[in-house]
Amino acid sequence: EAGVVQSPRYKIIEKKQPVAFWCNPISGHNTLYWYLQNLGQGPELLIRYENEEAVDDSQLPKDRFSAERLKGVDSTLKIQPAELGDSAVYLCASTAGDEGDTQYFGPGTRLTVL
Amino acid sequence: AQSVTQPDIHITVSEGASLELRCNYSYGATPYLFWYVQSPGQGLQLLLKYFSGDTLVQGIKGFEAEFKRSQSSFNLRKPSVHWSDAAEYFCAVGSGGSNYKLTFGKGTLLTVNP
Repeated sequence: EAGVVQSPRYKIIEKKQPVAFWCNPISGHNTLYWYLQNLGQGPELLIRYENEEAVDDSQLPKDRFSAERLKGVDSTLKIQPAELGDSAVYLCASTAGDEGDTQYFGPGTRLTVL
Repeated sequence: AQSVTQPDIHITVSEGASLELRCNYSYGATPYLFWYVQSPGQGLQLLLKYFSGDTLVQGIKGFEAEFKRSQSSFNLRKPSVHWSDAAEYFCAVGSGGSNYKLTFGKGTLLTVNP
C-alpha cells in the first residue's frame, strides 16, 4: 500500500514569490492534516480536513496561506507571498478519521526562502 | 490546552546501552499518547501508541513505553540501542472529542556512539 505522497521534496524560492505544495493521502483516508515543522521543533498543525471540509484552520495564517482539498482526496497548500520566516518543512499526514487514529506522515517538503 | 514537554533536547548513548527518553504531558482527561521517530529528511514514523488498558505498551523496533498517570509521563525505553536508532524522537498527545488534534513535543535528538 502506498504511503502519503508529497511533492516537491525540496523547493527554493525568492521571498515574495508564491509556492505550492501537494499531498496525496493514503487511499481511503478521509482526514488530512498539514503541519509546519521548524528546525529543531515538533510539527505544528496548520489545518485539518475531514473529506473536503476544513474543520480546523485556526492555526493557518490566512493572510498568506491557503489550502484546498476540492474532491476530498489530494490537497494543495499555498503560500503567497512567501517570507523568509516561512523556511521550514511542510508535512502532510492522513488518517482513516476516527478519534485517536494513527496519523501517517509523508516525507515532507523542505522550503527555503531566500 | 494540551501540551507536551520533552526535557532532553539531545541524548548520546553508546551502542548496546539502554535508553530512556522522557515525555511529560498536560491534558485534562485520559490522553491518547504517541511516540514517533524521524530520521533525517524523512517524515515521522509511529513507534507506538497508548489509548487505554495495559500501561506498558510495546512498539516496533524493540521500543516500549509506560504510561504513568500519576506522573503525567509516557517515557520511551529500549534495552539495547542500535546505531540505526539514531534519529529524532517526538512524543505527542491527542485530545478527544470532535476537535481531535495531535500536539507534539519539541523532540529529543538521539546520537548513538559506536
